[in-house]
Amino acid sequence: GAVVSQHPSRVICKSGTSVKIECRSLDFQATTMFWYRQFPKQSLMLMATSNEGSKATYEQGVEKDKFLINHASLTLSTLTVTSAHPEDSSFYICSAFGDRGEEQYFGPGTRLTVT
Amino acid sequence: AQSVTQPDIHITVSEGASLELRCNYSYGATPYLFWYVQSPGQGLQLLLKYFSGDTLVQGIKGFEAEFKRSQSSFNLRKPSVHWSDAAEYFCAVGLKAAGNKLTFGGGTRVLVKP
Repeated sequence: GAVVSQHPSRVICKSGTSVKIECRSLDFQATTMFWYRQFPKQSLMLMATSNEGSKATYEQGVEKDKFLINHASLTLSTLTVTSAHPEDSSFYICSAFGDRGEEQYFGPGTRLTVT
Repeated sequence: AQSVTQPDIHITVSEGASLELRCNYSYGATPYLFWYVQSPGQGLQLLLKYFSGDTLVQGIKGFEAEFKRSQSSFNLRKPSVHWSDAAEYFCAVGLKAAGNKLTFGGGTRVLVKP
């Protein structure tokens, strides 16, 4: 139980285009979802927190107009990287927190490459 | 400011030897504490967690960790390392009062020598 999926697992897009990443909690309701970014050989950095039905809260330094987060249901949150640039290439990981207790459950991550 | 420190960036250990990874945190209150493992290109796997109670926590894959409040530490240990333990290890802390957001340490890469 407590499975979180991400789709796609890998995506390559051209500079200037937008890409959407989905995060789903498969067997529980996620009241809160978190989005992290991880650059090669670095740790995870929290980008934003999204609560179902409300606007996401972004961490300092994260552009909310560039990284659009939607948490439309208790099982789905999406991250859209708008007008992607090569420096946005990274590993994006989501996690979900909900009715299972006090820990976050992590998705397998999405590797974004912007060419 | 809240912070999590993993002092060792790399650790090399021989297969069969013991392993200890250090984690220190700076928080205003006792947070929830976690250790995760990440293989290259993969997501995070939870090894163990501490919320309250017994300060020695047992996890999966033979790992354990000890919470020491006086030292603000939560070190991870394994008595005998297997080659499959080669990975990146992250310590993370969270506060329920802070919306359960996690702050991660910088990570420790473990290399296992045959």
